[in-house]
Amino acid sequence: DQQVKQNSPSLSVQEGRISILNCDYTNSMFDYFLWYKKYPAEGPTFLISISSIKDKNEDGRFTVFLNKSAKHLSLHIVPSQPGDSAVYFCAAIGRGADGLTFGKGTHLIIQP
Amino acid sequence: DGGITQSPKYLFRKEGQNVTLSCEQNLNHDAMYWYRQDPGQGLRLIYYSQIVNDFQKGDIAEGYSVSREKKESFPLTVTSAQKNPTAFYLCASSIRFAGANVLTFGAGSRLTVL
Repeated sequence: DQQVKQNSPSLSVQEGRISILNCDYTNSMFDYFLWYKKYPAEGPTFLISISSIKDKNEDGRFTVFLNKSAKHLSLHIVPSQPGDSAVYFCAAIGRGADGLTFGKGTHLIIQP
Repeated sequence: DGGITQSPKYLFRKEGQNVTLSCEQNLNHDAMYWYRQDPGQGLRLIYYSQIVNDFQKGDIAEGYSVSREKKESFPLTVTSAQKNPTAFYLCASSIRFAGANVLTFGAGSRLTVL
């Protein structure tokens, strides 16, 4: 049973517009969430994180929103740039977890 | 520069052979992990180690083995018992295992079984 779900395998956004990547989770023990970005044939790199005590965290063009009651988080990228084209993984961790649990990823494609 | 080094980057193996993937980190991290990535599957945890001389099975440990004799090193052996070994393997580390932690990943090793 998937505990972290990214229901959109791919997303296409025009350059300069906002990209919104969504992630849902089922485990109420998760209390820390992370987003990773991955280019082909490379390891994922950490992008941004949020603790369950917050509902928003911002870092430059990247903002992560957390809605605990809905068990939903989203990553906003604005404005989207061509270099943002990559696969984005949502990950979560909580008490008793064996390391991070990852979603299946969303392939973001930024159109010129 | 601190980081994680995985080798080899590409590896071909015949069926029935064991292969070992190397993972070395110079970040002084206590915890290390092995993940496997398959298309459309995301990252799945194979094994993890919280500290030297200790390791635990992850979600898909069958057909794999690891060792953690040194803090810096966490090699993964893909044995002939692993039924679908062709995949992209990622090693990662974090300062500690418990609590909120950011994983640092290596560049990955792609294993292809011929």
